[in-house]
Amino acid sequence: AQKVTQAQTEISVVEKEDVTLDCVYETRDTTYYLFWYKQPPSGELVFLIRRNSFDEQNEISGRYSWNFQKSTSSFNFTITASQVVDSAVYFCALRGGYGGATNKLIFGTGTLLAVQP
Amino acid sequence: GAVVSQHPSRVICKSGTSVKIECRSLDFQATTMFWYRQFPKKSLMLMATSNEGSKATYEQGVEKDKFLINHASLTLSTLTVTSAHPEDSSFYICSYSSGGMGMNTQYFGPGTRLTVL
Repeated sequence: AQKVTQAQTEISVVEKEDVTLDCVYETRDTTYYLFWYKQPPSGELVFLIRRNSFDEQNEISGRYSWNFQKSTSSFNFTITASQVVDSAVYFCALRGGYGGATNKLIFGTGTLLAVQP
Repeated sequence: GAVVSQHPSRVICKSGTSVKIECRSLDFQATTMFWYRQFPKKSLMLMATSNEGSKATYEQGVEKDKFLINHASLTLSTLTVTSAHPEDSSFYICSYSSGGMGMNTQYFGPGTRLTVL
């Protein structure tokens, strides 16, 4: 069975602090894909990143960085120098195997990040 | 990223009426689209996978006669909530997959907030 766990329900930080959102996944697939989405108060899910299981390179995009560790089945997301506009719910998601467009996304329960000015 | 639109963004209806929600992919012809619902402060729950030109595949526990899905073209899928009740009040989100075999990413519409009185 596939499962995504985001143990942090809510995180509150002060602006300019760094914050790491945790994501732990379970899958029996040898090939799988991991995602992070941002859901601001408006409700629309914004795609942030996709990581393939065969590529363990960490990635940095501006203030965002992702740490993929297959050994611990984790795909953590760090925001450096957080800003108020980063306040949102962040979802980690997993999709297994091949099979193209019909494969389902398994979502974690989300982490609500509140960045205080 | 790809662009997905939903209409309406908000709808309020009386109990017993039916409501249709449209989901359009604006820059991609999608053979497969997904419908989710999200309760307040909860994660996304996949309701069904909508396949162009064929019947939708519903997740366990989702009533196919209550949530009618039509995917008549590569750019349009509709979800009709029939005989709506207050417990159907929720945030409904569509998405579609973009990309090649196994590499695709789901892009989400802005969501439709349904309130049944």
